[in-house]
Amino acid sequence: QSALTQPASVSGSPGQSITISCTGTSSDVGHYNHVSWHQQYPGKAPKLIISEVNIRPSGVSNRFSGSKSGNTASLTISGLQADDEADYFCSSYTTTYIYIFGPGTKVTVL
Amino acid sequence: QVELHQWGAGVVKPSETLSLTCAVYDGSFRNYYWSWIRQPPGKGLEWIGESHHSGRTIYNPSVTGRVHISVDTSKSEISLELTSVTAADTAVYYCTRGNDYSWSHWGQGSLVTVSS
Repeated sequence: QSALTQPASVSGSPGQSITISCTGTSSDVGHYNHVSWHQQYPGKAPKLIISEVNIRPSGVSNRFSGSKSGNTASLTISGLQADDEADYFCSSYTTTYIYIFGPGTKVTVL
Repeated sequence: QVELHQWGAGVVKPSETLSLTCAVYDGSFRNYYWSWIRQPPGKGLEWIGESHHSGRTIYNPSVTGRVHISVDTSKSEISLELTSVTAADTAVYYCTRGNDYSWSHWGQGSLVTVSS
């Protein structure tokens, strides 16, 4: 099972919106709505920010939103803030009953 | 507030066995799947496998044959054993609580270095 595809980096100015894509196949992202997104700061454990494509856990800012179209899921961060600068990983459940991740996207706030 | 605290050897010799344990505090243990996820230095995340107290366990094919994940409901602990390790197994290992096909709670992470 191949990993998901994400851009290596995305940047934006404070207040702007950015979108990170996560592309898989019809055997993972395109098959299930079991796509999640995690935020990770250097040296820290990842934190769940989106589950099931577009569900925000309690306590996560509503500036984070998720969507999916076909084999590609997306994470949008609106009203970009300095503390959004982190790595973001997408993951998906697959038809072979395992989970796969994307390589991660580094978000830079200009 | 659910907390996961993990521990184990930080250095393992090549060809030997990596062992980590994770204790769950203040959470319901039986209702969830418990996974191990690892992250090589400077790289992305890799799901290793998950286990449920019912006995259902599934592993990533990348480590199948070398990995064993077990849960001890009496102690609210999850364990990971990875045999015949090589330098490619050097990583930060995380125990996690799974729910709705994602991982809502993570341990603090354990850096395991494979080195002679």
